[in-house]
Amino acid sequence: GAGVSQTPSNKVTEKGKYVELRCDPISGHTALYWYRQSLGQGPEFLIYFQGTGAADDSGLPNDRFFAVRPEGSVSTLKIQRTERGDSAVYLCASSLTGPDTQYFGPGTRLTVL
Amino acid sequence: GENVEQHPSTLSVQEGDSAVIKCTYSDSASNYFPWYKQELGKRPQLIIDIRSNVGEKKDQRIAVTLNKTAKHFSLHITETQPEDSAVYFCAAGRVARGNTNAGKSTFGDGTTLTVKP
Repeated sequence: GAGVSQTPSNKVTEKGKYVELRCDPISGHTALYWYRQSLGQGPEFLIYFQGTGAADDSGLPNDRFFAVRPEGSVSTLKIQRTERGDSAVYLCASSLTGPDTQYFGPGTRLTVL
Repeated sequence: GENVEQHPSTLSVQEGDSAVIKCTYSDSASNYFPWYKQELGKRPQLIIDIRSNVGEKKDQRIAVTLNKTAKHFSLHITETQPEDSAVYFCAAGRVARGNTNAGKSTFGDGTTLTVKP
């Protein structure tokens, strides 16, 4: 079946702008995770959803970052007033009943100029 | 919180040799240890995982060992092939349901494995 998908694959924006990154998990997966990966580093946890609710948002770096999953499937990561330091690949992963084996999407490469 | 350290950062082996990558973790409550392979520009893909009630798990040329007392786990790849070349990440997390800290995985910084033909 279809894996985790993310759109857009690439996003270039200017400092100070607002961006939205979308994740479509594997159908039927109740758990969804957002990670951020900088060059040469491992994925860094941002937030974990179980169904519609954020079970753990301890990884969100500051209040410019926010994520939603209103219907328990698709999730959107929202970044306000982007900064150059936000540039990274944003990865989404899902798991069947969570917390458990996670399957990653291809990522969105965000570049803030 | 959890802290995962991974060594070495780079590893070069000759085709056919074995490769070993080691990780240590700090949180004794972690009970789930996956390994991911990430090729350049691609997504991380799970290659093997182990849970804390098991000391060793093997899948063809890949094996993982876990020492809970010492809080370390290792990935072993035997009979390496050029297509094994990639970045490998270890991670530590919790899978206990009902635990508010369960769900997230903490990743190591990766090991770049190069298998020379």
